Amino acid sequence: AQSVTQLGSHVSVSEGALVLLRCNYSSSVPPYLFWYVQYPNQGLQLLLKYTTGATLVKGINGFEAEFKKSETSFHLTKPSAHMSDAAEYFCAVSDFGYGGSQGNLIFGKGTKLSVKP
Amino acid sequence: DGGITQSPKYLFRKEGQNVTLSCEQNLNHDAMYWYRQDPGQGLRLIYYSQIVNDFQKGDIAEGYSVSREKKESFPLTVTSAQKNPTAFYLCASSINVGRPRHTQYFGPGTRLTVL
Repeated sequence: AQSVTQLGSHVSVSEGALVLLRCNYSSSVPPYLFWYVQYPNQGLQLLLKYTTGATLVKGINGFEAEFKKSETSFHLTKPSAHMSDAAEYFCAVSDFGYGGSQGNLIFGKGTKLSVKP
Repeated sequence: DGGITQSPKYLFRKEGQNVTLSCEQNLNHDAMYWYRQDPGQGLRLIYYSQIVNDFQKGDIAEGYSVSREKKESFPLTVTSAQKNPTAFYLCASSINVGRPRHTQYFGPGTRLTVL
């Protein structure tokens, strides 16, 4: 079965510093990978996704992620943190390709990002 | 504007009562989903539906029921059999559940509290 591990339930950075949120996945088939952001008491918004092709994926709000098959990773980065980036971030993998599966998403447990002034 | 609406935003229930959470989408999406979110647990799939009048159980379907009578609507009923229903519930939709490239779009959520 596929799974996602997000390293660090809480990450704190200073405003202007690099943001690095870690995501590792397990999959026996080529994965489809997603990062979502959630602000308090709101739904999830897609930041970016990897399906095929270029392994460096750019998303909204200056975020990007790199798919590294050899490391089974899909870490999310942003060069310079802004106060408005404070939120919870979820990594997800699609289980498409397993017997009977329908392309549902499997989510990590999330990483809360705090940004200090 | 196209999107997903969930109502109510906050819902309070007494123990032993059934409650129904509404989810409506005007994105013309085929697939719809219900997730439960608990602090530190990520999102867990309750039910999903690929097409009208058809739905499948997710990972934590016990104590929940759904219907899909219209393409636009996918209501979730939290029954009295659900032992710990206090949580944040999220509805999502996508163009076709069989195509992982298609993004799931989420509604704003309903926070259910059992008193």
